[in-house]
Amino acid sequence: EIVLTQSPGTLSLSPGERATLSCRASQSVSSSYLAWYQQKPGQAPRLLIYGASSRATGIPDRFSGSGSGTDFTLTISRLEPEDFAVYYCQQYGSSPELTFGGGTKVEIK
Amino acid sequence: QVQLQESGPGLVKPSQTLSLTCTVSGGSISSGSYYWSWIRQPAGKGLEWIGRIYTSGSTNYNPSLKSRVTISVDTSKNQFSLKLSSVTAADTAVYYCARFRLGQLWRFDYWGQGTLVTVSS
Repeated sequence: EIVLTQSPGTLSLSPGERATLSCRASQSVSSSYLAWYQQKPGQAPRLLIYGASSRATGIPDRFSGSGSGTDFTLTISRLEPEDFAVYYCQQYGSSPELTFGGGTKVEIK
Repeated sequence: QVQLQESGPGLVKPSQTLSLTCTVSGGSISSGSYYWSWIRQPAGKGLEWIGRIYTSGSTNYNPSLKSRVTISVDTSKNQFSLKLSSVTAADTAVYYCARFRLGQLWRFDYWGQGTLVTVSS
């Protein structure tokens, strides 16, 4: 089973600051199968990044993804008020076929 | 624009079977390019993948739930369904249906709004 560990659990930042979120896999993950989602309270998750670094349609370019193997990163270059939310990484692979990380909450400092 | 909508009882008694349906609009569930999936989220917690079905009917489930889960598809109605048996309070969660896009880069590209299911007597 591939376990995704996200860190930190909570990130306290101010608007305009840079956010760096980590997703570490217990085994190597194909970049093709690594995605990031944003979730706001009371809403379904929204796709941000897929294939580790490709932005989904309509996602601002302040969001970027990088990494390979076991270490992946989501970066928000300058936080906007609407970016304060919970972020999840997700991988597709071996049993279980699909797993999510535990999430990183980005909160206003 | 593809839309997914969950429906089903919001309250289920312990030991009974939870049944939900996801209706897909704006696209055909028979397309061979997607897995149709169920994911759940207990209040204040993270996302848990429950399982998925392909248009052919092939399924794959989370091993932690496999003994209690059945996912089926009805292409004539453009719907897929979830059944979770022998529920307990631990199964109380928001349940989402979602489309998992296959191909070169795989991801959940459309989600339903989610439906809260409470297990209580």
